[in-house]
Amino acid sequence: AQSVTQLDSQVPVFEEAPVELRCNYSSSVSVYLFWYVQYPNQGLQLLLKYLSGSTLVESINGFEAEFNKSQTSFHLRKPSVHISDTAEYFCAVSLTGGGNKLTFGTGTQLKVEL
Amino acid sequence: ETGVTQSPTHLIKTRGQQVTLRCSSQSGHNTVSWYQQALGQGPQFIFQYYREEENGRGNFPPRFSGLQFPNYSSELNVNALELDDSALYLCASSLSGDTGELFFGEGSRLTVL
Repeated sequence: AQSVTQLDSQVPVFEEAPVELRCNYSSSVSVYLFWYVQYPNQGLQLLLKYLSGSTLVESINGFEAEFNKSQTSFHLRKPSVHISDTAEYFCAVSLTGGGNKLTFGTGTQLKVEL
Repeated sequence: ETGVTQSPTHLIKTRGQQVTLRCSSQSGHNTVSWYQQALGQGPQFIFQYYREEENGRGNFPPRFSGLQFPNYSSELNVNALELDDSALYLCASSLSGDTGELFFGEGSRLTVL
């Protein structure tokens, strides 16, 4: 079975500072990797995903994540955060060919302060 | 807006009762998945339905059951409610396959007293 570890439950950061949210996974078979975001009072939304190809994936709002197979990691980064990035971020995995059945981490609350 | 709607948004039940939660999937999506999100935890996969058939189940007991209808809407039923069933129940619709993109509703928050 696969699992996801998000070691940081909360990450406070000042606006315009860089941020990294850490995600490590465990699986004996190949996986797909995802970051979902949950803004206050909204449903979960897909932020970015790695299925195959380039190990560096980007979102439309400036986040990026890099799949590192040797370190079994998929950390999320943004060089300069904005107040509007305040949200809970969930890392997730699914088995390749598994049909969109996701295993989520426990989430990281990103709080951006002025 | 995701297009996935869930009802009710909040409800309170007592131990031993039964509950039905409903979900309307996004137009064109033939797959519905249900997740349980306990307070402070990530969503946990309950089961998935594809074309009205169960297509995978997580580590949940049989008292958690579901249905998918011809219009791809879905229900989650929980019998013999326990205190630990208190959680946010999320419905997500998607296309079949490994797209990785689930469209989530805002959830139904169940409190069991």
